[in-house]
Amino acid sequence: GAGVSQSPSNKVTEKGKDVELRCDPISGHTALYWYRQSLGQGLEFLIYFQGNSAPDKSGLPSDRFSAERTGGSVSTLTIQRTQQEDSAVYLCASSYRGSETQYFGPGTRLLVL
Amino acid sequence: GDSVTQMEGPVTLSEEAFLTINCTYTATGYPSLFWYVQYPGEGLQLLLKATKADDKGSNKGFEATYRKETTSFHLEKGSVQVSDSAVYFCALSTLQGAQKLVFGQGTRLTINP
Repeated sequence: GAGVSQSPSNKVTEKGKDVELRCDPISGHTALYWYRQSLGQGLEFLIYFQGNSAPDKSGLPSDRFSAERTGGSVSTLTIQRTQQEDSAVYLCASSYRGSETQYFGPGTRLLVL
Repeated sequence: GDSVTQMEGPVTLSEEAFLTINCTYTATGYPSLFWYVQYPGEGLQLLLKATKADDKGSNKGFEATYRKETTSFHLEKGSVQVSDSAVYFCALSTLQGAQKLVFGQGTRLTINP
């Protein structure tokens, strides 16, 4: 079946602009995760969804970052007023509830100029 | 908090050499342990996992054993191939709550023919 998909695959934006990153999890996966992969910080957890609720937002680096999930499926990560330090690859993963195995999407590479 | 420390890279080996990538962890409770691999231009893929002490995970000729006494999960392969060139990430997740992954910094492996 189809894997986790993310769009866009690449995004270049100017400092101060808002961006939206989209994640389509594997059908039937109730858990959804966002991670960030950057040169300086490695792979970091951002936020976790179970269904449409986000019981763990502890990794969001600032209040410029927010995420939502609708219909227990698609999720959008929004970064407001982007800064150069937001440049990174943003990864989405999904899993069945209670499963330890997460399946990752190909990522969105964000470059803030 | 929970953390994972990986052998620093990059690592360069000749084809058919023996590979070890060290990984140690710090965690409260009893985590599950994972090795993920990122091939050039591709997303993160689960390579193998182990969920309790003394379990051995294996896949594609790679092995890792969950050692609780040394808090380690070293990745090994007896004879590497050029196609094993990739970045390898050790990770843990705890069974409680979000089951989010905590990653090591990654080890870039290059295999020369």
